[in-house]
Amino acid sequence: EDQVTQSPEALRLQEGESSSLNCSYTVSGLRGLFWYRQDPGKGPEFLFTLYSAGEEKEKERLKATLTKKESFLHITAPKPEDSATYLCAVQGAGSNYQLIWGAGTKLIIKP
Amino acid sequence: DTAVSQTPKYLVTQMGNDKSIKCEQNLGHDTMYWYKQDSKKFLKIMFSYNNKELIINETVPNRFSPKSPDKAHLNLHINSLELGDSAVYFCASSSGQAGAYEQYFGPGTRLTVT
Repeated sequence: EDQVTQSPEALRLQEGESSSLNCSYTVSGLRGLFWYRQDPGKGPEFLFTLYSAGEEKEKERLKATLTKKESFLHITAPKPEDSATYLCAVQGAGSNYQLIWGAGTKLIIKP
Repeated sequence: DTAVSQTPKYLVTQMGNDKSIKCEQNLGHDTMYWYKQDSKKFLKIMFSYNNKELIINETVPNRFSPKSPDKAHLNLHINSLELGDSAVYFCASSSGQAGAYEQYFGPGTRLTVT
């Protein structure tokens, strides 16, 4: 069964303190792994798609990496505006094209 | 400019009532989705339509009925509302189905059943 597990559930950092969020997945035939950001009271906002192990993508202070079993979202020198819940989702070959979602990591950056 | 819009944003109603949520996307996408996000923030797919055809229909009570009048619109009608239906409902769209396409989400509709 396809499954996505995100850790930690919550992460509190000081402004400028770099860290990483983890997304572990089990899927038969990965088509893509997605990272989203969700602010309170809003819909998820697309960040990245990763397709194969070894791939990396960057956007401002965020960098996403992918291995055959997990993905990391690295946050470098975060600012308070990076505070949000970060969601990971995968699409597998046998999933009828639907996304399987993790429960998210709530990131809080203190000034 | 809004890519995926939903109405209403908030919906408060009593048990047993029937309500509808509307969704529209102006991205020219072929595929649209309805998700339910519970209090633990877990997103669960409910339905997906591709070019007005139902392609995903998860285990959802048949009180929930999606309707897609055209590929830019996907509405959700809920009959006989129950307390457990209280959640945030998100509409999303993507440019395709047969491939790993990112989905774009609306702002959500917070449904409260009293």
